[in-house]
Amino acid sequence: LAKTTQPISMDSYEGQEVNITCSHNNIATNDYITWYQQFPSQGPRFIIQGYKTKVTNEVASLFIPADRKSSTLSLPRVSLSDTAVYYCLVGPNQGGKLIFGQGTELSVKP
Amino acid sequence: NAGVMQNPRHLVRRRGQEARLRCSPMKGHSHVYWYRQLPEEGLKFMVYLQKENIIDESGMPKERFSAEFPKEGPSILRIQQVVRGDSAAYFCASSPSTDPNTEAFFGQGTRLTVV
Repeated sequence: LAKTTQPISMDSYEGQEVNITCSHNNIATNDYITWYQQFPSQGPRFIIQGYKTKVTNEVASLFIPADRKSSTLSLPRVSLSDTAVYYCLVGPNQGGKLIFGQGTELSVKP
Repeated sequence: NAGVMQNPRHLVRRRGQEARLRCSPMKGHSHVYWYRQLPEEGLKFMVYLQKENIIDESGMPKERFSAEFPKEGPSILRIQQVVRGDSAAYFCASSPSTDPNTEAFFGQGTRLTVV
């Protein structure tokens, strides 16, 4: 499975757009890019998934360049409740066997 | 449709005791996965089960840990003769299949404290 690299932590303020970039240089042809969010004392929650170009849902957008060696999770207008750890996962996404890295700890301040 | 249910939410055991963690997958999900999250660390895959079968236990410690998913009832993660290093949050996830684009749903976790 492809290894991922993402910033350990990020700070932001309410109302700002937050972009978290993940590097995955060894991504394979059949790998998908998936982002999960984890609040303290809770299990991870699926945010968004993509294979190429751009994917958008009600929570976030995911930008994937043509070479797919990186991806960017974009959270529009964050609020205090978006403070969490965000995990970038790369793999064939077959069910729930997922390889989590260290994640990015996002702190949103008022 | 209730989500993935784990119980207990918190479990305290003395060194040498057994810990049993339960996971009821979402309705219609036949694939169950267990993860462990040590303090200040990310989640580590432990085991993947389908009804009555262990499919992948590559992340399970070789000793003291076992898992089952019987035909009836919840999946059980069992830790025998617990040690302090077993203190962690244990999460269960379930999915309806292993098809591409299948989303896994996680439970709230069981926090095991070994004293």
